Amino acid sequence: AQKITQTQPGMFVQEKEAVTLDCTYDTSDPSYGLFWYKQPSSGEMIFLIYQGSYDQQNATEGRYSLNFQKARKSANLVISASQLGDSAMYFCAMREDEFSGGYNKLIFGAGTRLAVHP
Amino acid sequence: GAVVSQHPSWVICKSGTSVKIECRSLDFQATTMFWYRQFPKQSLMLMATSNEGSKATYEQGVEKDKFLINHASLTLSTLTVTSAHPEDSSFYICSARGPGPYSNQPQHFGDGTRLSIL
Repeated sequence: AQKITQTQPGMFVQEKEAVTLDCTYDTSDPSYGLFWYKQPSSGEMIFLIYQGSYDQQNATEGRYSLNFQKARKSANLVISASQLGDSAMYFCAMREDEFSGGYNKLIFGAGTRLAVHP
Repeated sequence: GAVVSQHPSWVICKSGTSVKIECRSLDFQATTMFWYRQFPKQSLMLMATSNEGSKATYEQGVEKDKFLINHASLTLSTLTVTSAHPEDSSFYICSARGPGPYSNQPQHFGDGTRLSIL
């Protein structure tokens, strides 16, 4: 069963507007972490934001915020005031604390390609 | 912040050649590193978890004899693709969990290695 689902293969947004990238997950582990990474065309993986399963508040990092809805098992990434440099592939990932054997393995979604238009 | 260096960035070689890829944590000790493979326009697939001083843990379907992993020190893990063939051509990327409290530490990624087997 797919554990991380990103249903949007591609998204377009106008520069300076906000965009939401969807991510849903499936786990029976009560303790887990959710991550978002950005991958530009050059290939490197850039960590953006983290949300822990026990965190009460939604995570924010500059222009990035994570809309965490635990009951719905969703962890959507919101990018405010989009910039041309935000054009990239975005991956949602999950770490299951109990089932990863303590190794902090990540499971990645299929990714969403974001294109920011001027 | 935590930095992971991966070398080489590009490899082009003939079929049958063995190729070694290095992954180094530059400013922290990483007892555990991870190796991923990424095909074009696809997500990252975990190949194996590399543990310092012990055998790597391979994911289901990954050939241990084809992809040899050595984690000889706290700052270096190597992936050797043995007798590489064109179907092994891919983007290989390593990562290591950063130092500090376990719960919210992201994995820090190397810049990846593009392997092309002719």
